[in-house]
Amino acid sequence: DIQMTQSPSTLSASVGDRVTITCRASQNIDNWVAWYQQKPGKAPKVLIYKASSLEGGVPSRFGGSGSGTEFTLTISSLQPDDFATYYCQQYKSYPLTFGGGTKVEIK
Amino acid sequence: EVQLVESGGDLVQPGGSLRLSCAASGFTFSDHYMDWVRQAPGKGLEWVGRSRNKGNSYTTEYAASVKGRFTVSRDASKTSLYLQMNSLETDDTAVYYCTRGHGDYNWYSDLWGRGTLVTVSS
Repeated sequence: DIQMTQSPSTLSASVGDRVTITCRASQNIDNWVAWYQQKPGKAPKVLIYKASSLEGGVPSRFGGSGSGTEFTLTISSLQPDDFATYYCQQYKSYPLTFGGGTKVEIK
Repeated sequence: EVQLVESGGDLVQPGGSLRLSCAASGFTFSDHYMDWVRQAPGKGLEWVGRSRNKGNSYTTEYAASVKGRFTVSRDASKTSLYLQMNSLETDDTAVYYCTRGHGDYNWYSDLWGRGTLVTVSS
């Protein structure tokens, strides 16, 4: 199975900060990575697919990059609505696997 | 409206069975892969299983933790996805999400239902 190691597990930031979350795959997954945002009590919502493609309707302050084994999700200017937990997922091979999550908290 | 609505979650004893349903609407159900993803209380996301689309004969894939116990199926005429869960264990306690796959070569989840809670306890 492909392991997705996400870091940090918790991140404290202020409104307006630039935030970067990293996901490392245990083997090459090309660019088959998606990023999801989840708020408490709600279903996840996709932000980024194929490592860097922005899902329709997602604000442009969200960006993704990387290929192979190293991937990042960047929020260019953190907004109050962005405080949530973020997950990466590889969808290159079965079983599909998620990172452990990064909770973005208010500093 | 494009949506997925799960149902069937309940309290069940260890060793018991349960069938979850996911009603899909607003899109061509047969064109899409469909997944089940679960989340144990206070934990992260875990992919459970997949039904490929009609073009791929609705074939299925499973996580090792549920293979042989869970079965993903669909009723195309009712545009519904199902998860039959047998030999349930306490570790199966989770919110179960139905998701729609999007892609052409590899598929990610672009639409999620609200989830249904399964509790396995004596």
